[in-house]
Amino acid sequence: KAGVTQTPRYLIKTRGQQVTLSCSPISGHRSVSWYQQTPGQGLQFLFEYFSETQRNKGNFPGRFSGRQFSNSRSEMNVSTLELGDSALYLCASSPRFRTNYNEQFFGPGTRLTVL
Amino acid sequence: AQKITQTQPGMFVQEKEAVTLDCTYDTSDQSYGLFWYKQPSSGEMIFLIYQGSYDEQNATEGRYSLNFQKARKSANLVISASQLGDSAMYFCASFDMRFGAGTRLTVKP
Repeated sequence: KAGVTQTPRYLIKTRGQQVTLSCSPISGHRSVSWYQQTPGQGLQFLFEYFSETQRNKGNFPGRFSGRQFSNSRSEMNVSTLELGDSALYLCASSPRFRTNYNEQFFGPGTRLTVL
Repeated sequence: AQKITQTQPGMFVQEKEAVTLDCTYDTSDQSYGLFWYKQPSSGEMIFLIYQGSYDEQNATEGRYSLNFQKARKSANLVISASQLGDSAMYFCASFDMRFGAGTRLTVKP
């Protein structure tokens, strides 16, 4: 079974631009979550999608948005990029919606650099 | 929501020795789960081990085991017989997607 894939792996943008990151979950997984990882803030939860619906959202401004398609693939978009958005963006998939046992399978991440 | 605390920013261990990485959590839920992940320098998070609040025994997975003390709200990861490849960041996480700050483990030859 193929793992979680994220594209692109590396991205360089300038302030004010927007960016779209893509995540393909493991086949059969319906839950996709996104995280931002920075040296200063650590791993922070962005949002979670299940069956094309955003179920949970972290404490991020509205510039961060996402969606999930019928095949469970997910995209996240960041508009009006700021320098502080430079981070590793991790996507994780899970076969089920959040339960007490919610093992997540992570992709390799997209490293975004904002200049 | 749970709060996850990892108080050891960095740890060193000699190859073949055991090491314990600390994790405490704060929740009022009766039913919950805790996870440990490993993140090598490549960046990908790797699931290591899970502990459920109602599990009667501490979880074990190969060289990884959990020292789960419910009353103390701690779920410490024990790595036995450390290997050089164990050098990485280790994160404790709750089932509701809260992660600790992580511990950087360095295994010395």
